Amino acid sequence: GAVVSQHPSRVICKSGTSVKIECRSLDFQATTMFWYRQFPKQSLMLMATSNEGSKATYEQGVEKDKFLINHASLTLSTLTVTSAHPEDSSFYICSASSAEETQYFGPGTRLLVL
Amino acid sequence: GEDVEQSLFLSVREGDSSVINCTYTDSSSTYLYWYKQEPGAGLQLLTYIFSNMDMKQDQRLTVLLNKKDKHLSLRIADTQTGDSAIYFCAEGNQAGTALIFGKGTTLSVSS
Repeated sequence: GAVVSQHPSRVICKSGTSVKIECRSLDFQATTMFWYRQFPKQSLMLMATSNEGSKATYEQGVEKDKFLINHASLTLSTLTVTSAHPEDSSFYICSASSAEETQYFGPGTRLLVL
Repeated sequence: GEDVEQSLFLSVREGDSSVINCTYTDSSSTYLYWYKQEPGAGLQLLTYIFSNMDMKQDQRLTVLLNKKDKHLSLRIADTQTGDSAIYFCAEGNQAGTALIFGKGTTLSVSS
């Protein structure tokens, strides 16, 4: 199946700093990428939908100025958590799909904000 | 809005069959998915089924779909300890759209 990578896999940062997470589709072009957030022992919550070359669509309750999403190419989307705080600590997972394919998920990035 | 429900826990013995159930509310769902999440890891797509199918079998996995009742199940035959994980049911309207996930069923396999 298609491969989606995320980098970094794990990051620890100080409160107030910004963290960038990359999501790449390695062997297919992703017209759409999704960013999900997963709290411990909970389901995945969609944060935003990102289409290449256009602004991301954020779900209700997700601050677009705090979670900046850029989908600069058909193989790369980035999520930047700005001015991170401890409550932003979570597992962030991206997924990618082309128009014809099902979604494939990245391995996730565990963010810990101290 | 749309909702996906799953039981939270299932415990089975090694070698037995496991059946994980899921119900959903969106009648326009086109694709229904099963994902596996091992501790500390991302999601692994196990299988998916189109809404015009009743059953799909893939090695030890059997997916049954009752579209009338909006009920989806995943059967794992000859369950192994390596099958211990969280299993998420998800629905989607079409390929390329965001999925709606259930809360996940934690499968515990004892030897």
